[in-house]
Amino acid sequence: GQSLEQPSEVTAVEGAIVQINCTYQTSGFYGLSWYQQHDGGAPTFLSYNALDGLEETGRFSSFLSRSDSYGYLLLQELQMKDSASYFCAADNYGQNFVFGPGTRLSVLP
Amino acid sequence: GAVVSQHPSRVICKSGTSVKIECRSLDFQATTMFWYRQFPKQSLMLMATSNEGSKATYEQGVEKDKFLINHASLTLSTLTVTSAHPEDSSFYICSAETGDLSPWEAFFGQGTRLTVV
Repeated sequence: GQSLEQPSEVTAVEGAIVQINCTYQTSGFYGLSWYQQHDGGAPTFLSYNALDGLEETGRFSSFLSRSDSYGYLLLQELQMKDSASYFCAADNYGQNFVFGPGTRLSVLP
Repeated sequence: GAVVSQHPSRVICKSGTSVKIECRSLDFQATTMFWYRQFPKQSLMLMATSNEGSKATYEQGVEKDKFLINHASLTLSTLTVTSAHPEDSSFYICSAETGDLSPWEAFFGQGTRLTVV
């Protein structure tokens, strides 16, 4: 089976940089995804790391270290609209995804 | 990107009745779709994996007779909550994968908020 851990809440101000960590314990791990979900909405895909290292997509970057069973999502130049829940999800044998508990990000003016 | 449409977005039903939720892939064929349940401020919990033309694979603890899944075509999967009770009230979300196009990316429907009264 797989289990993931994330901080439950993070608060930051506009323009700041925030890092959301995710640790996982898995068997059959293929990669780590990140999703954003606004209240009442559906999750939207942000990134996927299959290999170690940093992947950058605009203001968002994601990092993976397989040896440490650890990854993070880095959000730069925070905007109010970034207030949402962020989930890491482990790719389980390439068959499905197991989601972490989610981190609620609050961006303050 | 690929579009997944889920219907209805919100439904209120009486205890004991059944509710059907549809999940459609609009611009791609999805041999596999996933159904999740999400309680307020909690994570997405995988309920079952729906495979076109075969029986769904249910996660441990999910009652297959209560949550009926049908994946009759490559673009449609349905989840029927039978004999619904107030504890079944939740946010139900489907997702689909495009296969080779983006094997690591799941595309989610808009979700269905079910309230059983």
